[in-house]
Order: sequence, then C-alpha cells, then structure tokens
Amino acid sequence: GAGVSQSPRYKVAKRGQDVALRCDPISGHVSLFWYQQALGQGPEFLTYFQNEAQLDKSGLPSDRFFAERPEGSVSTLKIQRTQQEDSAVYLCASSHQQGRITEAFFGQGTRLTVV
Amino acid sequence: SQQGEEDPQALSIQEGENATMNCSYKTSINNLQWYRQNSGRGLVHLILIRSNEREKHSGRLRVTLDTSKKSSSLLITASRAADTASYFCATDRRFDQTGANNLFFGTGTRLTVIP
Repeated sequence: GAGVSQSPRYKVAKRGQDVALRCDPISGHVSLFWYQQALGQGPEFLTYFQNEAQLDKSGLPSDRFFAERPEGSVSTLKIQRTQQEDSAVYLCASSHQQGRITEAFFGQGTRLTVV
Repeated sequence: SQQGEEDPQALSIQEGENATMNCSYKTSINNLQWYRQNSGRGLVHLILIRSNEREKHSGRLRVTLDTSKKSSSLLITASRAADTASYFCATDRRFDQTGANNLFFGTGTRLTVIP
C-alpha cells in the first residue's frame, strides 16, 4: 500500500506480557516517529529515527520501552512486562524529510489494552 | 510533555457556522502545522505555516501565527458535519546534534458540527 501501515490494529495483553508493535513506513521515507496517545489526549512523542539511527528516544516513558529500525525501513516498538498504564493507541508516522519536517504521514495506530 | 495546548478542549457548532481553535506553544519553532484526526484513525496533515508567515489559507481553512505570543489559530469556515473530528497543532523542535526535527503535538480540540 501507499500509506503507513501498522500491525496489529488491536492488541490485548495480560499484565506482565511482552508486546511488539510493527510499523511499515512509506517506502523511501527517511524519518520515522512513534507516538503514544491516551484516550482524549494528543499524541505524546516517544522516539524518532532517521534511517536506522535512533536520534531521539527522550520520550520513552521507561526502560521497558524499546524501539528499533535495523534496516532503516520497518520499525518495531517493543514493550516489556506491560503495565495497565501502557494501555493507549501507539501511532507511527513517517516523512521523507530529515531536516525540517513539513508533513508527517500517520498510520492508523495500534490500540493496546493491558488487562 | 506536550509542546502545545489547544483551546477550547471541545467545541460544538451548527453546520454552516465558523469554528475557531487556538494553539499555544512553548519553544521557538521553524513551522507550525495543523492535523485532523477522525475517531479511531491516524492523523492527517491539513496545513503548515512557517515562522516568518502570519497568515495562510487553504480552501475553507485559515491559519494565523503570532510568534511573539507563541500562538496560532485555525479557522474553519462554513463548517460541515464531515468536519467533526479532533484537531491538533504540531510544532517542530530542532534536534541540535544532527539538525533533524521532531514533531510535538498539542492536546487537541474536539470539534462537533451538528447537521
């Protein structure tokens, strides 16, 4: 497809379980962002990649969160030992720009529910 | 923490009326963007205004920017029921080490247009 694809769309995890969320950005897009969006809130920045380099991970809420983009294309956000407060929609966005980002393209998100 | 805040948090208007949403941000920016999010979906880019611009139009959208007050407004004229969505402002922030930029979102305005 032509857009940003995220999988799975929905994930229910038991507390303590590890989860992996996948993002397929638009082909050729250099920049990739992960955001966490709680219900009724705006997207909170988690981490940013430029190609395979993770340039900013200041938004990751704890060391249970880990993101990678080993070949500069597909990215995975992994959450270890999930907690209830991790329940949110996780959004991935990509941009062909690597300097000033003038437009980001978003996937539909993965809704994570930790029970 | 989020870079920007929108107000009002929620806005309900009749079809045909104009809707105005405001955004305030904290740090210096290169540009400011507005995005729209339908319920359960990803964000879609609407319009961008550069820091040296004061006003920009795109169809029924009008954006203003006041860098001295660190604020922006989005006006949607002649609203339609299909405009019902959440609207977010996003600002960039320079990542000094590489010159890359991140996008940080505000808290959003939930707009409901009543047919």
